[in-house]
Parts: sequence; C-alpha cells; structure tokens
Amino acid sequence: AQSVTQPDIHITVSEGASLELRCNYSYGATPYLFWYVQSPGQGLQLLLKYFSGDTLVQGIKGFEAEFKRSQSSFNLRKPSVHWSDAAEYFCAVGALTGGFKTIFGAGTRLFVKA
Amino acid sequence: GAVVSQHPSRVICKSGTSVKIECRSLDFQATTMFWYRQFPKQSLMLMATSNEGSKATYEQGVEKDKFLINHASLTLSTLTVTSAHPEDSSFYICSGKASGGATEAFFGQGTRLTVV
Repeated sequence: AQSVTQPDIHITVSEGASLELRCNYSYGATPYLFWYVQSPGQGLQLLLKYFSGDTLVQGIKGFEAEFKRSQSSFNLRKPSVHWSDAAEYFCAVGALTGGFKTIFGAGTRLFVKA
Repeated sequence: GAVVSQHPSRVICKSGTSVKIECRSLDFQATTMFWYRQFPKQSLMLMATSNEGSKATYEQGVEKDKFLINHASLTLSTLTVTSAHPEDSSFYICSGKASGGATEAFFGQGTRLTVV
C-alpha cells in the first residue's frame, strides 16, 4: 500500500524568501505524485503532478517540485513566497491499483510573515 | 482539468437525521469516485471507493451502513450519512476518475457537514 509522509506540520517563512516543503512517499511501483493546496474551509487545488519524464515539474503559481527516486522524495519549492501562499499543502500519491486511490500526507501548514 | 461539483457546500442537520451529499462529474464520465473526510486541521482520509454500478469498497474502520454510497451513473455519486451524530461533523470531499488510462482524480470543492 502506498503512504505519504510530510515531516513538517507547519513552516513559517518571510515574504519574499524561498520555500521548500518536504514529502516522502512509499510505494512499490512508479508513483503518481501530486501537490495540492487548500485554503481554510476550501477544497483542493492541484499545484502540480508527476507521472514520468522530466523529474523537475513546473506547476501553477510559481511552484515546482523535484522527483528523486533514490530518496523517495517529491519536495515542493518556490523561489519567492507571497503572503497569499499561506495555506495548507498536501502531498499525495496515486496508485493504479485499487482504482487509482489518491492517498494524502498529513499536510504542512505554511505561514508567511511580513 | 475536468470539473467535479459537490452539493451542498454546507449543510446543517439535526442529530439522528440523514443527509445526502451529491458529487457530479460535469465534463467527463467518472467510472470511479472516491469519498474522503477531513477533520479540522487534519488530512484527507479516504473513506471509500465506488465504481459505477458496483458496491462501494470501504476503507478499514469506515461503517458502510452509516455512510451509504451510491454510484448509479457515470456522472453522479452520492454519500448519505445516516442517523448523523455530532461526531460525524466534518468536511467531506469527493473525487472522480475517468476510465481507461486516466491517472488523475479530480476533486470537488467539499461539503461542510455540521450535526447539531
């Protein structure tokens, strides 16, 4: 079964600073990896996804993520954080077995300080 | 991406009553739909997977008689919370996946259920 670990419950960065959110996954085959963002009381918005090919994936809102198979990681990055980026971020892994369940990590709450 | 619509976005019901949440795929046929619940400040926990025309498969610990899932058409799945109690208050989110080689599920905007 697949699983996702987001080791940081919350992170605080200054506006304009760079950001990296960590994600490690466990899955026996090639994973389908996703990053979602959720604002309070809202649904999920897909930031980016990785299926195959180039291991550096570009997403919306200036986010990118790098798939590292050797480290079972899929960390999310942004070079310069904006106050509007404050939200909850979820890393997720999808598996073709079980009808393509998407399993989520615990989430990382991002706080942005002025 | 494809669009999944959930209705209602918010619902308040009395303890002991049942409430139905609808999940519709608007521009694709969702052969598989997933239902998640999310407690405040927690992650999304998969409750069940449903395939059109089949019985839902529930995750361990989820009461199938309490959370009734129907997926009678390729564009509609419903989750009925029966005999709701305050501890069922949560954020419920559905997602739908198309058939074939689709490798992404599209999420609805969620339903906030409050049981009073």
